[in-house]
Amino acid sequence: DAKTTQPPSMDCAEGRAANLPCNHSTISGNEYVYWYRQIHSQGPQYIIHGLKNNETNEMASLIITEDRKSSTLILPHATLRDTAVYYCIVRVISSGSARQLTFGSGTQLTVLP
Amino acid sequence: DVKVTQSSRYLVKRTGEKVFLECVQDMDHENMFWYRQDPGLGLRLIYFSYDVKMKEKGDIPEGYSVSREKKERFSLILESASTNQTSMYLCASRPGTANTYEQYFGPGTRLTVT
Repeated sequence: DAKTTQPPSMDCAEGRAANLPCNHSTISGNEYVYWYRQIHSQGPQYIIHGLKNNETNEMASLIITEDRKSSTLILPHATLRDTAVYYCIVRVISSGSARQLTFGSGTQLTVLP
Repeated sequence: DVKVTQSSRYLVKRTGEKVFLECVQDMDHENMFWYRQDPGLGLRLIYFSYDVKMKEKGDIPEGYSVSREKKERFSLILESASTNQTSMYLCASRPGTANTYEQYFGPGTRLTVT
């Protein structure tokens, strides 16, 4: 699996967009980019994933560069409840098998009032 | 919504005790996982199961065993708890047939072994 690099911490003002970068320069063609977050003292929560096209859901948008070497998770209007550790994970999808995720150290996002 | 529940949020046990951590999911998922999370080490996979009575070792299975007698329930067992097993334990599940790593996590059990 490709290695990912994320900044250890970021701040964002409440109501503003939070843009969380992830570098995955060694990603291969069949690897997806996944984002999870973990609010303090809770289990991780799935946010979004993508292969090469930009993706959007009710929680966030995922922008993947054309060369797929990096991506950005965007929380369009951050709230205090978005304060969490955000994990970027790159993984090949293998159907039918129980493949686990490998969580790195992530980015601690702090949303400031 | 998918729900993954764990039997306890906080647990305190003594060294040498046998400890059972229970996890139940309500979405008929084939795959279930047990992780532990420690500061600076991220999430580490202990065991996973892809079907009833089936199990596979993860990255750190030593000192642990698991049981999956029913599809919805996956138990983690510490045969003889030790202080280095003090940790946050997280259970997760996902569908077996879906080409996705969208895993659903429980709230976690913070275990302290004294």
